[in-house]
Amino acid sequence: QVQLVQSGAEVKKPGASVQISCKASGYTLTANYVHWVRQAPGQGLEWMGIINPSSGRTTYAKKFQGRVSMTRDTSTSTVYMELSSLRSEDTAVYYCAKAGIIGGGYKWFDPWGQGTLVTISS
Amino acid sequence: EIVLTQSPGTLSLSPGERATLSCRASQGVNSNTLAWYQQTPGQAPRLLMYDTSTRATGIPDRFRGSGSGTDFTLTINRLEPEDFAMYYCQHYGPSPTFGQGTKVEIK
Repeated sequence: QVQLVQSGAEVKKPGASVQISCKASGYTLTANYVHWVRQAPGQGLEWMGIINPSSGRTTYAKKFQGRVSMTRDTSTSTVYMELSSLRSEDTAVYYCAKAGIIGGGYKWFDPWGQGTLVTISS
Repeated sequence: EIVLTQSPGTLSLSPGERATLSCRASQGVNSNTLAWYQQTPGQAPRLLMYDTSTRATGIPDRFRGSGSGTDFTLTINRLEPEDFAMYYCQHYGPSPTFGQGTKVEIK
C-alpha cells in the first residue's frame, strides 16, 4: 500500500538545523508532489511547502522562506526537509504528505507520514 | 491567502447523533479545492473528503460533505465511537491553508 515513513524524533538546540526524511513506498515517488506540514503542540496544521520529486522544484510558504529547504533522492524514493536557525517556536510535529493525484501539486493530501516530533530545547 | 474559520470549536454529542461541522472561507473558493481531514490524538491526519463532497477511499457513507462559495459543511450521521476526533478543513489552492479545527467529543 502507499506509505510515507518518516525519520525519528529529534531534539535540537536553538540556532541549530534539523533534517527530516520521508521515504515513499507503494508508488513511484516522482509521480506525485510531496507537501510538508507542521503542527505545534495542541495547535492546528500549518503548510510549509511543496516539492516536485520529479524536477526537484520547490515552493515554500512565505513564513519559512530563507530557513527551509526541501530536496529529494529519487534513487531511494526519499524526500527531505531541512529547517535551519531553529527556535523554541519550531517545536512541533512535522509531517510529509503526498499530493492526491498524479502530477497535481496543489491537491488534497493523502496519505500523510506518521509525523516526526522536533523539540527545540537549550 | 484564504483564511478558513471552523465552527464550533467543540461539539459535544452522544454516539448515534448527527454532527454538523462548518468551515467558512474568507473569500469564495472553488468546490474542487476543499478537503476535510480527521485526526485522533497522536496520529497523523487522515483524508476524509476532497473536492468538497467526494469521500476518500474507505470512508463510510455516514460522512457527507457539502457547500460552495464560502460556506462548507461536513456532516457525520449516526456518530460511531471512532468518530470522536478533531476535524480540519483545508483549502488546497496555491498556498494551502487549514481551518483551526473542530473537536467532536463525547457528551
